[in-house]
Amino acid sequence: GNSVTQMEGPVTLSEEAFLTINCTYTATGYPSLFWYVQYPGEGLQLLLKATKADDKGSNKGFEATYRKETTSFHLEKGSVQVSDSAVYFCALRIQGGSEKLVFGKGTKLTVNP
Amino acid sequence: DGGITQSPKYLFRKEGQNVTLSCEQNLNHDAMYWYRQDPGQGLRLIYYSQIVNDFQKGDIAEGYSVSREKKESFPLTVTSAQKNPTAFYLCASCQQGGGHYNEQFFGPGTRLTVL
Repeated sequence: GNSVTQMEGPVTLSEEAFLTINCTYTATGYPSLFWYVQYPGEGLQLLLKATKADDKGSNKGFEATYRKETTSFHLEKGSVQVSDSAVYFCALRIQGGSEKLVFGKGTKLTVNP
Repeated sequence: DGGITQSPKYLFRKEGQNVTLSCEQNLNHDAMYWYRQDPGQGLRLIYYSQIVNDFQKGDIAEGYSVSREKKESFPLTVTSAQKNPTAFYLCASCQQGGGHYNEQFFGPGTRLTVL
């Protein structure tokens, strides 16, 4: 089956620290990979995406590279800000069909000033 | 402004009652989805619909029902058969087909609490 495994949180960092949130996946086909962010009390927003091996998604200083050989899509940011405090979800979608997403359990990030 | 609206934001229900959560989108998207979010569980798919008058069960459909009579609307009914309905419910929509870049857009969510 298809599944996504994220590192367990919560993660607490100081402002300007380096962030890595690990994500690995299992998929029967050739997935597209996504990172979504959820700010407190809100819905999810797409942060970045990659659709094939070696693609790098990037947005707002966040990056993730689609690594087929390690089935991974780790999220990184070089210098986090207090405003980055949120829950981050890794997700995959198998091409074709219903466009269903399979989500990881989410990782809560808190950035302290 | 195009987007997805969910109402109400907070909903309280007595045990044994059915309740309907609203989801409306003006993005002209074909597909709509309902997810349930529980602490530490991520998002789980309840139902989805790829076209008007058609819908499919997701991973946790038991105790829920939906309808898709209009393209822009996809209401979710939480029935009394749902054993543990207290959760945060998220609606999403997506344009079908056209390649890889079909982003799912999410509404702000409805927090349902069963008293």
